[in-house]
Amino acid sequence: QVTLRESGPALVKPTQTLTLTCTFSEFSLSTTGLSMNWIRQTPGKALEWLALIDWGDVKYYNTSLKARLTISRDTSKNQVVLTMTNMDPVDTGTYYCARSRLSGSYYGPFDYWGQGTLVTVSS
Amino acid sequence: DIQMTQSPSSLSASVGDRVTITCQASQDIYNYLNWYQQGPGKAPKLLIYDATKLETRVPSRFSGSRSETNFTLTISGLQSEDTGTYYCQQYDHLPSFTFGPGTKVVIK
Repeated sequence: QVTLRESGPALVKPTQTLTLTCTFSEFSLSTTGLSMNWIRQTPGKALEWLALIDWGDVKYYNTSLKARLTISRDTSKNQVVLTMTNMDPVDTGTYYCARSRLSGSYYGPFDYWGQGTLVTVSS
Repeated sequence: DIQMTQSPSSLSASVGDRVTITCQASQDIYNYLNWYQQGPGKAPKLLIYDATKLETRVPSRFSGSRSETNFTLTISGLQSEDTGTYYCQQYDHLPSFTFGPGTKVVIK
């Protein structure tokens, strides 16, 4: 069965860079039509999509956070990595990785999610 | 950017009740609308995709409909395990994904 698991630091200091890794199984990100996403849930903004990387290594970012985000993949390890620079206390929340599949020609629903990892930004 | 609103923000209902949650998009998003359920302390789970299509292994008491920019999630026969928060989410070709603020469902 498809599984996804996020890993990374639980605590980061303001201005530091956050690096999160999503390790997944039972599918390949090289499969046409599949993409991986990072989504976060914060008290202030509920669920917020952050970034997507697709089967062809095409990347998209939330426009309001684009300057701070980088998404990458290691297909051989079945991993996707998100870095977010200049962390602030308002970035505190749970970070999820989620798989998405095509719907027609559009990037479609998030059909599998990791359990999430709680990140606290505090000095 | 496309904005999503949901109503009500919370509701309380009894087991067996028919529950309706609505979601409105700020512009036409065609059928590019999904619904998720988030149980307490859990990750969101996909229920309905493309406005009306039931995701595999999701109980048939869940259904979705659309009327222009208004979307509805219906639970026909609420069960105790349906407690949680329900989110709508739109997607378009940019891509840009936006979630609604959520509707909390509590069992009486």
